Amino acid sequence: QVQLKESGPVLVQASETLSLTCTVSGFSLTNYGVIWVRQPPGKGLEWMGIIWRNGNTDYNSALKSRLSINRDTSKSQVFLKMNSLQTDDTAIYYCTREEFGVPLDWGQGVMVTVSS
Amino acid sequence: DIQMTQSPSLLSASVGDRVTLNCKASQNINKNLNWYQQKLGEAPKLLIYYTNNLQTGIPSRFSGSGSGTDYTLTISSLQPEDVATYYCYQYNSGPTFGSGTKLEIK
Repeated sequence: QVQLKESGPVLVQASETLSLTCTVSGFSLTNYGVIWVRQPPGKGLEWMGIIWRNGNTDYNSALKSRLSINRDTSKSQVFLKMNSLQTDDTAIYYCTREEFGVPLDWGQGVMVTVSS
Repeated sequence: DIQMTQSPSLLSASVGDRVTLNCKASQNINKNLNWYQQKLGEAPKLLIYYTNNLQTGIPSRFSGSGSGTDYTLTISSLQPEDVATYYCYQYNSGPTFGSGTKLEIK
């Protein structure tokens, strides 16, 4: 069945770069895209960006200058990198399988705390 | 960017009630709207896609409607397991989520 699992550091220092990995199974990254969504503690959901099945990317305009999403199809992994972190980047980060441009299946999420 | 406004932000209702959650877009989103349910401590789950299509495995008490800028999620008979926060999501352009409606049992 379709599974997605986020991994990465749980604590990052302010001004540093966040690197997260989404490892997927049950589908191919050449057939479906992956969307990253984040959720600050106690707050709502924010669409961050997408890597489409053809490898093209789109980003939230508010994050575009700091964010990049890449993939390794041979390893079924998608990578998120975001630089110049601030404390308000503290959030649960989710990766999701995309279909027709929308999040369908979600990972369990990884909580990332940015420390000042 | 398209803004999505959900109302109410908090809804308290009794088991068996018919409940309606609202989502208003800042511009026409051409029915490109989904609804997600997020229970405490869990990842969101897709309930409704393209305004009124029930995702596989979702109970038929959930339904969606709307057009243009105004959309609605209806639960025909509220069940205890429906306690959650509900988010609308537009994907017409520059995808955005609404701010959520927290649904409680009275």
